[in-house]
Amino acid sequence: QKEVEQNSGPLSVPEGAIASLNCTYSDRGSQSFFWYRQYSGKSPELIMFIYSNGDKEDGRFTAQLNKASQYVSLLIRDSQPSDSATYLCAVISAGAGSYQLTFGKGTKLSVIP
Amino acid sequence: EAQVTQNPRYLITVTGKKLTVTCSQNMNHEYMSWYRQDPGLGLRQIYYSMNVEVTDKGDVPEGYKVSRKEKRNFPLILESPSPNQTSLYFCASSPSGPNLPQHFGDGTRLSIL
Repeated sequence: QKEVEQNSGPLSVPEGAIASLNCTYSDRGSQSFFWYRQYSGKSPELIMFIYSNGDKEDGRFTAQLNKASQYVSLLIRDSQPSDSATYLCAVISAGAGSYQLTFGKGTKLSVIP
Repeated sequence: EAQVTQNPRYLITVTGKKLTVTCSQNMNHEYMSWYRQDPGLGLRQIYYSMNVEVTDKGDVPEGYKVSRKEKRNFPLILESPSPNQTSLYFCASSPSGPNLPQHFGDGTRLSIL
């Protein structure tokens, strides 16, 4: 069973600070990595996806992937109270003609005004 | 508007009474998937479909059935629901596979008494 681990939190940061969310995965052959944001009682919505080692930036969000160390992180700059949500890491592994998609259990982020 | 539509949004029913949760997408996506979300367990994949008439088991398929007769629809069937299937269910779709970002429906909260 492929595993995706996230610190459940809650992670509390003051407004305007950088929030750093981390995710580690067990399958070295994993190919695609996603960060979803989920507000309480709502459906997950895509924040970032990354396929290659390194950083990928989109506005206040930066995804960082290190395949050698098997971790992917999400940085949120200038955190806002509206960023308070649970962040889900999702990892795709492929093999034997099929894909396996595994979600982490999520990290709850609280941005304090 | 591009969307994934699930019905019903809420359902309370009794053990053993067959039920179907419908899922429809208007984006001409090939890939569709069902998840359940439980506290402390995160999002877990039930079944997925790579295209019409092509379905496969996810991590927790026991007690569920699916069909994909048309590209836009992917119903989830509980032939004989049991209380351990009480959960929040999400349908999702992506253009061609789980290695692409998925668009989620609003969710269906099922309570099996």
